[in-house]
Amino acid sequence: GAVVSQHPSWVICKSGTSVKIECRSLDFQATTMFWYRQFPKQSLMLMATSNEGSKATYEQGVEKDKFLINHASLTLSTLTVTSAHPEDSSFYICSASVRGLAGVDTQYFGPGTRLTVL
Amino acid sequence: LAKTTQPISMDSYEGQEVNITCSHNNIATNDYITWYQQFPSQGPRFIIQGYKTKVTNEVASLFIPADRKSSTLSLPRVSLSDTAVYYCLVGDMNTDKLIFGTGTRLQVFP
Repeated sequence: GAVVSQHPSWVICKSGTSVKIECRSLDFQATTMFWYRQFPKQSLMLMATSNEGSKATYEQGVEKDKFLINHASLTLSTLTVTSAHPEDSSFYICSASVRGLAGVDTQYFGPGTRLTVL
Repeated sequence: LAKTTQPISMDSYEGQEVNITCSHNNIATNDYITWYQQFPSQGPRFIIQGYKTKVTNEVASLFIPADRKSSTLSLPRVSLSDTAVYYCLVGDMNTDKLIFGTGTRLQVFP
């Protein structure tokens, strides 16, 4: 259980184009999803928290107009990198939060999407 | 904002027990501590989660002292396939956000 998928697993695009990344919880409903970015040999950095049916909460320094997040259903959140530039090249990982029987929230992560902007 | 810190790297041999510690001085009162394993170019995989004292599952144990300012992930008998980066994830009392630790790169040798 608690499987999270991401699509695509990798994408290469030209500078100035937009890229959409999908995150799905396959066997559970997730009220909250998270988007992270990870640069080589670094830890995961939270970009934004996404709640179904409401606007995402972005972390300091993350441009909301550049990284558009839509959480249209309890199983799907999308991240769109608009007008991508080479410095946006990174590994993007989503997670979905599920509340267990003991009332504890646990994040389960997708496999990640490698974005390369030429 | 105090960082959630871990040793950068650790080396071990197959069959040995490995203990990885995470220091989290600003842990939020009500938050649990979660540990993840990450292989290159993959998302983190859940290992174990706990609030205090000791938690054990089929792959690891988690030790948390009474003050909860640190936690130790214990892998009982590592194998080559345990070579990975291990992260703790902890809630910060000042920001009320979950923060990943700096990560520990574990290398297991035959």
